[in-house]
Amino acid sequence: NAGVMQNPRHLVRRRGQEARLRCSPMKGHSHVYWYRQLPEEGLKFMVYLQKENIIDESGMPKERFSAEFPKEGPSILRIQQVVRGDSAAYFCASSDSGYGYGYTFGSGTRLTVV
Amino acid sequence: GQQVMQIPQYQHVQEGEDFTTYCNSSTTLSNIQWYKQRPGGHPVFLIQLVKSGEVKKQKRLTFQFGEAKKNSSLHITATQTTDVGTYFCAGREGGSEKLVFGKGTKLTVNP
Repeated sequence: NAGVMQNPRHLVRRRGQEARLRCSPMKGHSHVYWYRQLPEEGLKFMVYLQKENIIDESGMPKERFSAEFPKEGPSILRIQQVVRGDSAAYFCASSDSGYGYGYTFGSGTRLTVV
Repeated sequence: GQQVMQIPQYQHVQEGEDFTTYCNSSTTLSNIQWYKQRPGGHPVFLIQLVKSGEVKKQKRLTFQFGEAKKNSSLHITATQTTDVGTYFCAGREGGSEKLVFGKGTKLTVNP
């Protein structure tokens, strides 16, 4: 079982560019969650998705951020026109049932905006 | 909105000493989970507590869920250097899918 796969592990973008972060959930898991972590901070919820549906995006900034989980392929977190404040670790987690189960996290993508 | 507070933010102990981190929620929780994140790593699920007053043990780790289901604690007996990392609690309100994390307690253990 390959676990939750995130890529890339490290991503450097210049201000104004786009960042695409990918997440493949564990086999059999249909629930995907994205969290952002700043240094020395906790994990901030961003969005919860199931296949082809956004269930809860209450943690997503209103502008520049979007997420999808298509029928085929990985979940994508997309950040347009990145700014320095977007620099953070972005973790994806999956579970086989949204309620009452622990999450399996991927290794994260460390985004640096220069 | 729901908030989860954790104290202390940092804890330094000598190997062999005990360690406790506390978690408090602004609202009643349906369940609470604990995660450990090693330096440079990702969070790893440790345990989930569901029932009021529940106590669970994993070797040297003891987890408690308060009677009112608004607070929780993690206690490590006789810490080892392998316990180093940040311990996060995360709670869910009833009917919500969203897991809200505390800011974590960063544990360092001096050999």
